[in-house]
Amino acid sequence: DVKVTQSSRYLVKRTGEKVFLECVQDMDHENMFWYRQDPGLGLRLIYFSYDVKMKEKGDIPEGYSVSREKKERFSLILESASTNQTSMYLCASSNRVGQGGYNEQFFGPGTRLTVL
Amino acid sequence: DQQVKQNSPSLSVQEGRISILNCDYTNSMFDYFLWYKKYPAEGPTFLISISSIKDKNEDGRFTVFLNKSAKHLSLHIVPSQPGDSAVYFCAAITGRRALTFGSGTRLQVQP
Repeated sequence: DVKVTQSSRYLVKRTGEKVFLECVQDMDHENMFWYRQDPGLGLRLIYFSYDVKMKEKGDIPEGYSVSREKKERFSLILESASTNQTSMYLCASSNRVGQGGYNEQFFGPGTRLTVL
Repeated sequence: DQQVKQNSPSLSVQEGRISILNCDYTNSMFDYFLWYKKYPAEGPTFLISISSIKDKNEDGRFTVFLNKSAKHLSLHIVPSQPGDSAVYFCAAITGRRALTFGSGTRLQVQP
């Protein structure tokens, strides 16, 4: 079974703090993703990575950065946390898309971040 | 600009009846559509998918229908069970490899 783990289930930080959210997958997947989930907005893509040291901006990258130094690990960084970054953060991973295929994404359990 | 829309935030049905969850999209370049199910305090899990070249895909109690001319898809659950109570997300994908999700529909199946 694919396993995607996230470093914390709940996190409380103060405005202005630097926050690191870690995600690890154990299935040798090439692609990794960070989403945030907010009521009424669904899941919105922040950043994704399709290879080590590669990254692409998603739909809402402002205020975030990412790091992928190893294939199995994808970190989301909030350089200076703000209250509007209070949210549920979900990490996912998937295999490289084959010809005409799609990538089923496997999700971690999420980190609920509260910024005070 | 939401490219994938789920206009019903919630749906309540009786156990044993059919649940129909709807999804509309605007981007005609999407080539796969997927449904994910999410329980509280868990990550979403994949449920069923459909290619843009098909109009129906069935897996047990779950069937997804795609109407490309209307840019509409729906998920049918028959018969509905209390364990199906969850939030259902519609998602779509192009060659970018990243999913675009709708806002979700909370399904409650009453015993």
